[in-house]
Amino acid sequence: NAGVTQTPKFRVLKTGQSMTLLCAQDMNHEYMYWYRQDPGMGLRLIHYSVGEGTTAKGEVPDGYNVSRLKKQNFLLGLESAAPSQTSVYFCASSYSSGRAIEFFGPGTRLTVL
Amino acid sequence: GEDVEQSLFLSVREGDSSVINCTYTDSSSTYLYWYKQEPGAGLQLLTYIFSNMDMKQDQRLTVLLNKKDKHLSLRIADTQTGDSAIYFCAEWEDSSYKLIFGSGTRLLVRP
Repeated sequence: NAGVTQTPKFRVLKTGQSMTLLCAQDMNHEYMYWYRQDPGMGLRLIHYSVGEGTTAKGEVPDGYNVSRLKKQNFLLGLESAAPSQTSVYFCASSYSSGRAIEFFGPGTRLTVL
Repeated sequence: GEDVEQSLFLSVREGDSSVINCTYTDSSSTYLYWYKQEPGAGLQLLTYIFSNMDMKQDQRLTVLLNKKDKHLSLRIADTQTGDSAIYFCAEWEDSSYKLIFGSGTRLLVRP
């Protein structure tokens, strides 16, 4: 049982490049989330999913797209990276809504030059 | 909108108690949480409290909730150097499936 895993751990992009962050969970959780963490701030929700094939916008969705084609995977895409997207990205999953998100991934540190 | 506020920094001596405070604005929150983040790591859920409770104790951790003042605190007894981390308070917003996080309190435990 690996919990929540994220790939890659680190990435450096140039402005305008694209990339996909992969999140995987092996706990059969319905709910998955993508957050970003910036210095001096708490986590802010980018997008979330309440089940396979469904996605919804969070607090800061602009510049990101997501897909949940398989229940265990939640992908976060940056089509045209900008320096403002330099951040640490955390994926999380939970069994149900309205309860604590217990499982966070280790994070992906992204730098956009 | 909803907001969660915390003080930025707390320094205590090893063996003392630490109290980390948090205020929130959404009176309808049913769950309030404390998370710990160690350097370079993801968030770890420490404990949570239901809104109909005033206090919850879990080993060295005590959570106090004052609903009237919308104030939440986390007390760590016998603080150890391994407790040095950033602690986040968070409330659950039912309408948007959203956890609203505070900006975090950095706890430094001095030997």
